[in-house]
Amino acid sequence: QVQLVESGGGVVQPGRSLRLSCAASGFIFSNYVMHWVRQAPGKGLEWVAVISYDGSNKNYADSVKGRFTISRDNSKNTLYMQMNSLRAEDTAVYYCARDLTSNACFDIWGQGTLVTVSS
Amino acid sequence: SYELTQPPSLSVSPGQTARITCSGDALPKQSAYWYQQKPGQAPVLVIYNDSERPSGIPERFSGSSSGTTVTLTISGVQAEDEADYYCQSADSSGTYVVFGGGTKLTVL
Repeated sequence: QVQLVESGGGVVQPGRSLRLSCAASGFIFSNYVMHWVRQAPGKGLEWVAVISYDGSNKNYADSVKGRFTISRDNSKNTLYMQMNSLRAEDTAVYYCARDLTSNACFDIWGQGTLVTVSS
Repeated sequence: SYELTQPPSLSVSPGQTARITCSGDALPKQSAYWYQQKPGQAPVLVIYNDSERPSGIPERFSGSSSGTTVTLTISGVQAEDEADYYCQSADSSGTYVVFGGGTKLTVL
């Protein structure tokens, strides 16, 4: 079945780095634009980043621009998020999401992975 | 920065109609989407392109648009509809994706 599975979350100290992965299955991964969306504990959803089909185009929320890097490996059906210079305010559940229409319509979501930034 | 505005909460009795609004200046130009999120779960798309319903979503969920406001309507609310609902769209340039603050729907 169509599925996204995130991994790589955990507890990390402020200023350190972490890399998240999102493994896709059940669909042709390279045919879809992909996104990361996060949700701080008890808060709403916040869009983080988007990457085009082939990885040539990327865009980021201002809150993570210059610190986070989205990438993908279509040969491995996997989406990534490299997170550097982490801050306490980056603490959240991070979801990867498939874009149904290439217009930021998130039809498939992973179960999420929790990132906690704390000393 | 661009914002989408939703009411924080809404309470309805079973069988009644719930209407959740979302306001934003760019909504006449950009498509709107609605997501349902239950505690501890990932969001689920319930409406796309303002008023389209994905397969598997009950017919009681519908969407509409008028000017700078889009509305999610749940007709004949059921206990299982109790959840947080988020609208989502993009700014006028289509560069940034934005979520509304979310509406907590309580079924009395």
